[in-house]
Formats: sequence, C-alpha cells, structure tokens
Amino acid sequence: DAKTTQPTSMDCAEGRAANLPCNHSTISGNEYVYWYRQIHSQGPQYIIHGLKNNETNEMASLIITEDRKSSTLILPHATLRDTAVYYCIVGNNNDMRFGAGTRLTVKP
Amino acid sequence: GAVVSQHPSRVICKSGTSVKIECRSLDFQATTMFWYRQFPKQSLMLMATSNEGSKATYEQGVEKDKFLINHASLTLSTLTVTSAHPEDSSFYICSARAGAGGGETQYFGPGTRLLVL
Repeated sequence: DAKTTQPTSMDCAEGRAANLPCNHSTISGNEYVYWYRQIHSQGPQYIIHGLKNNETNEMASLIITEDRKSSTLILPHATLRDTAVYYCIVGNNNDMRFGAGTRLTVKP
Repeated sequence: GAVVSQHPSRVICKSGTSVKIECRSLDFQATTMFWYRQFPKQSLMLMATSNEGSKATYEQGVEKDKFLINHASLTLSTLTVTSAHPEDSSFYICSARAGAGGGETQYFGPGTRLLVL
C-alpha cells in the first residue's frame, strides 16, 4: 500500500537540472514529504524534507504543490555522482516506508 | 548531517549460527532506531522499530524470535539474526532519529551485507 507514486526511471544530462516527480494524493495534514537517495550498495542518504512550503538546501530543492498532492525534487546541476535511486516518502517519521523509487541515471 | 554507523559492514556465516549487527548513532542520541532489510534489486523493507529501553515493535511477517533487537542505550541498537539460514542473506540497514515529533529526520547507516552459507 504505497503512499507515493514515482516514475521507475529517468535520465538526465550532466550539468542539467534533474526534476524528479512524486505523487502523494492521499497525504494527510500532518505528514511530511521526505526525499532520500541510495547509491548502489550503500545506505540511503537524506536529501531534504518539507511539510507545506518549498524547501532548499545545499543538495536540492523541494517543490510541494499547494494541495500537497504532489512534489518535485530538483537537483539543480546534476553530476555523474548523482546517479542513484531516489525515494519519495510520505509520513510523520514514525514509520518511514520505502516504495520502489526512481532510478536516476545522469549521463555525460 | 548526523552520522550512523554499522558494524560489521559485511559478514559471512555458516547456516545455523547467529550473527549480531550493531547500529550506533555517533553524534546524537537516538530515541528511536529502525531496522530494514533489502534484497537484491528490491526496495528497503521495514523490519522493526525500537525505542530505547522498551521492546521492539515488529512488522507483520517478521519473526521476533529470529530477529532479536536490543536498544539498550540512546546510541546503540543491535540486531541478532538467530540460527541464520541462506534465505536470511540480505542487506541489513539501520536508521536512527533524535526526536519523536513529526518532521524529525531519520539518518541511515551504511548497511551490513550478510551472506549465510
């Protein structure tokens, strides 16, 4: 019973912005949107999270629609090292459950 | 961000033996730690949630007597795979969070790869 829907895979050219969408139409009022990524054979790495407002940090930007039913993670200048599986997770941090994620491949 | 470590990073054991995996929060106190399992080409699956000083809460289908979890301090949780069998071979990952409120970030360890022969 996945709470989020993400494309299975995406490609992005090195140096361009990578925009990763996530649908979470059943999100409830107290649930946050979290983004993690997992590079092969490593533990997931925290990227960013938000509740209602758009957020930006040194890694990425998170754009959440006004109705909160979808969001987009933006990597402004993708590098080859950004190739990974990106997970969008909705919850209040009590039980963070992973869907299948989006496999982003950054190409030279 | 906060750092979570796991030990060992990889372990090979014989069928029938027990294996202990340690998860430590290095620069923060973790009120709650989580254990996940990941099979090849699959996503992470939550196994159990443990709060310091209390019994772990296991997900449906996860045998609590086989996967023993101890969260004795605010910086250490251990997962013991008892009487391991080849089907227990997997990538085990822990995570930890500091607070209990919504919006708290979970930080993940690097994972432990278990191979049972």
